[in-house]
Amino acid sequence: DADVTQTPRNRITKTGKRIMLECSQTKGHDRMYWYRQDPGLGLRLIYYSFDVKDINKGEISDGYSVSRQAQAKFSLSLESAIPNQTALYFCATSDPSAGYTGELFFGEGSRLTVL
Amino acid sequence: SQQGEEDPQALSIQEGENATMNCSYKTSINNLQWYRQNSGRGLVHLILIRSNEREKHSGRLRVTLDTSKKSSSLLITASRAADTASYFCATDRGSQGNLIFGKGTKLSVKP
Repeated sequence: DADVTQTPRNRITKTGKRIMLECSQTKGHDRMYWYRQDPGLGLRLIYYSFDVKDINKGEISDGYSVSRQAQAKFSLSLESAIPNQTALYFCATSDPSAGYTGELFFGEGSRLTVL
Repeated sequence: SQQGEEDPQALSIQEGENATMNCSYKTSINNLQWYRQNSGRGLVHLILIRSNEREKHSGRLRVTLDTSKKSSSLLITASRAADTASYFCATDRGSQGNLIFGKGTKLSVKP
């Protein structure tokens, strides 16, 4: 089984619908991240969490919300999806040491299409 | 805004040749990391270089870091068709606790 699991892997929805993307990890890492990837724009950080009680906005948090239900689970919600939120979404985890952000471990991605 | 910018955006080489990708960034960093992404898949970590290091090797990969120029390069020697992927640099600015990714270099290695 994958260390970082994202569900669903693919989702097509309509404008205005509420969507939740879920991420679970078995690596035991405290830090979890949600990134969005668009062609030609690389990855952009949406939200990140250092532990269950610590949630931080990234550079493109507008239109998104997150929930850290447990150390192992971090969900991303789109309250009212719009077409420009069509993208590939990645969850990642890290286990920082020595005071810096270490290697990120990525899930396989959730491809979201908003019609 | 993006912290890292890779150059070139796309690179096409023959198997056996070396591939060099560059990354420039804007602010001081704690470390810089390189990742690989096969088409539509999750990113995989390749190598991390700290701000006080100048060069690092891992197998066929060689990474350099020049903090005075705010730039890094990734060299893949004796490339193989299986190296075909997109490569991203990511910077850790330390206090932020997260990585900021560049837009990536798409490498195509032709057999």
